[in-house]
Amino acid sequence: GEDVEQSLFLSVREGDSSVINCTYTDSSSTYLYWYKQEPGAGLQLLTYIFSNMDMKQDQRLTVLLNKKDKHLSLRIADTQTGDSAIYFCAESTSGTYKYIFGTGTRLKVLA
Amino acid sequence: GAVVSQHPSWVICKSGTSVKIECRSLDFQATTMFWYRQFPKQSLMLMATSNEGSKATYEQGVEKDKFLINHASLTLSTLTVTSAHPEDSSFYICSARVGFRGLYNEQFFGPGTRLTVL
Repeated sequence: GEDVEQSLFLSVREGDSSVINCTYTDSSSTYLYWYKQEPGAGLQLLTYIFSNMDMKQDQRLTVLLNKKDKHLSLRIADTQTGDSAIYFCAESTSGTYKYIFGTGTRLKVLA
Repeated sequence: GAVVSQHPSWVICKSGTSVKIECRSLDFQATTMFWYRQFPKQSLMLMATSNEGSKATYEQGVEKDKFLINHASLTLSTLTVTSAHPEDSSFYICSARVGFRGLYNEQFFGPGTRLTVL
């Protein structure tokens, strides 16, 4: 079945850039998403990318997609303490509507 | 727009009782709603997909008689955990999908319900 993997933890200093990585196995993935989850809360969509794109930039967020290697990354520029949270990547395929979530990366931003 | 609410946000119940969790789309009609379960420090696992007016489709390994899903209207889906046991304690999150608004596959997530079974 489909599998989505992420590194579990990332710690960065405030003001630095954070890069969170994600790998997936489903070559038919059409949409790839990044979600943020703060403690005890639901998921907030940060950004998304279509599989026919290589890169997408949205303010402090940059998403890179290497479809050949099935690798997705999220770069957060000028990371702030408020960015501390768990970040999930997710993929879905057109027509199925189902999301497959990654294992989540816990980002800790040190002041 | 595209707000999804869940009620209750937190519930504690005794083992053997049933608990109902509501998921509502507040400002849109949801063609499909999804129910996820999240264990502490783990990812979200899809439990079932719910379409208004039809039976839910459960993922492999999810007991449909234990986790009853009713999607009675385009704005409301309910998940009932029947005869709850401590191992059912988890964070339950619902999401709703609108096929013709925003991203074709975009889901909007509720804030989650934390269930603790004593």
